Amino acid sequence: LAKTTQPISMDSYEGQEVNITCSHNNIATNDYITWYQQFPSQGPRFIIQGYKTKVTNEVASLFIPADRKSSTLSLPRVSLSDTAVYYCLVGEPMDSNYQLIWGAGTKLIIKP
Amino acid sequence: EAQVTQNPRYLITVTGKKLTVTCSQNMNHEYMSWYRQDPGLGLRQIYYSMNVEVTDKGDVPEGYKVSRKEKRNFPLILESPSPNQTSLYFCASSLQGYGSYEQYFGPGTRLTVT
Repeated sequence: LAKTTQPISMDSYEGQEVNITCSHNNIATNDYITWYQQFPSQGPRFIIQGYKTKVTNEVASLFIPADRKSSTLSLPRVSLSDTAVYYCLVGEPMDSNYQLIWGAGTKLIIKP
Repeated sequence: EAQVTQNPRYLITVTGKKLTVTCSQNMNHEYMSWYRQDPGLGLRQIYYSMNVEVTDKGDVPEGYKVSRKEKRNFPLILESPSPNQTSLYFCASSLQGYGSYEQYFGPGTRLTVT
């Protein structure tokens, strides 16, 4: 069973751009890559989703190379409120059923 | 307001006493799922449901039951809770289960089994 792999933790400073990379070697052809943000004692919150190349919304960008075996979440000009755990999510084929595999999460700490 | 609700939010119980955690969504989503979250282990899927009357096991289904009799509700049942089921539980829903995985999560239920 393939897994996603993310750095356990990262530090950065307010105003910097932060890039978090996730590897997912067994991504299925029709699956999307999705990133979530979670604050303590809250449920995860959807950030961004993509299938290939680059996707951008009002809070983040997602870069996906042609082979789709990895993805990078980019947070521009972070603030203290971006301190959270970030999860990478992809679909994982198991037999004829799809099972969601969550990464272990990256704890991002933003310093003043 | 589009949301996923869970009840109760906090529950302390004793080993072996059956309990049910309710989950309801008002977005007409087909897909619903239960997760547990433990320190250092991220989110692990317990059960999921692709639609009414269709449920499947996730990563850690042992000791849990679910049912999906209506589209909006997906209760999690612990027939005989044990201390190793002490955890933070999240219910989630999404429009569909394949491909696109934009899930909406409930606020969580913190369960303690003594």
